[in-house]
Amino acid sequence: GAVVSQHPSRVICKSGTSVKIECRSLDFQATTMFWYRQFPKQSLMLMATSNEGSKATYEQGVEKDKFLINHASLTLSTLTVTSAHPEDSSFYICSARSGGDQPQHFGDGTRLSIL
Amino acid sequence: KNQVEQSPQSLIILEGKNCTLQCNYTVSPFSNLRWYKQDTGRGPVSLTIMTFSENTKSNGRYTATLDADTKQSSLHITASQLSDSASYICVVSGWGGADGLTFGKGTHLIIQP
Repeated sequence: GAVVSQHPSRVICKSGTSVKIECRSLDFQATTMFWYRQFPKQSLMLMATSNEGSKATYEQGVEKDKFLINHASLTLSTLTVTSAHPEDSSFYICSARSGGDQPQHFGDGTRLSIL
Repeated sequence: KNQVEQSPQSLIILEGKNCTLQCNYTVSPFSNLRWYKQDTGRGPVSLTIMTFSENTKSNGRYTATLDADTKQSSLHITASQLSDSASYICVVSGWGGADGLTFGKGTHLIIQP
C-alpha cells in the first residue's frame, strides 16, 4: 500500500520550455503533498507544501511564479516549471501523506534536464 | 538551526560484510527519526522509524539504533548484498511547519562482489 506515482520519470527539453510533472497517490487520499528538489550528492530540499484545494506554501527562496503547484484533487498534484533554464535541471521528487500523523511516501522522482 | 549530519559520506564494502552508518542531529524538539534507502534515480523508501522512547528497530537485515540523549542514530546492515548499494538517508522530524523534516545528505554505500 501507500504508492506514490510520479510522471514523467525523465524529461529533456530546450531552454524556455515549460515542463509539468505529475504526482499521484494511487491507493490513498493525500491531503498533503510535498515537492522536493535534489542535486547530486545533496539532501532533498523541500520546495513547497500543498494541501488539496488550497494554495501551496513555498519555502524561502523558491519562486512561486517559477514553480507552479496545483493540488486539485486528493490524489493528484502537479508541479510546472515555467520557462525552464539549465539551472533548473535537477531531480524533482514528490511525496504524499494521508493525514497529519501519517508518514510521507515518496514518488520515484523526475530527472529534469534543460538544454 | 536544525541539522542532520551523516557519516561516512561514502562507503565501499565487500558483499557479505556488515557495516554501520552514523547520523547525528541537532533537531529540537524531536518527534521521530527515519532511515530511508534511496536507489540511484529513485525516490526514498522508508526502512525504519523510531520515536523518542525507542532505542532500536529492526527491518530484516537493517537495524537502527537511537540515543535521544546524545542525539545520535546508527543504521547497521548485516550480511550485505549487492542490492544494498544505495544512498541511505537519515531524516529527523521535529514539530511545526512542513512536517518539520530535516534531511541528512546521505551515505552512499557501494557493495562490491
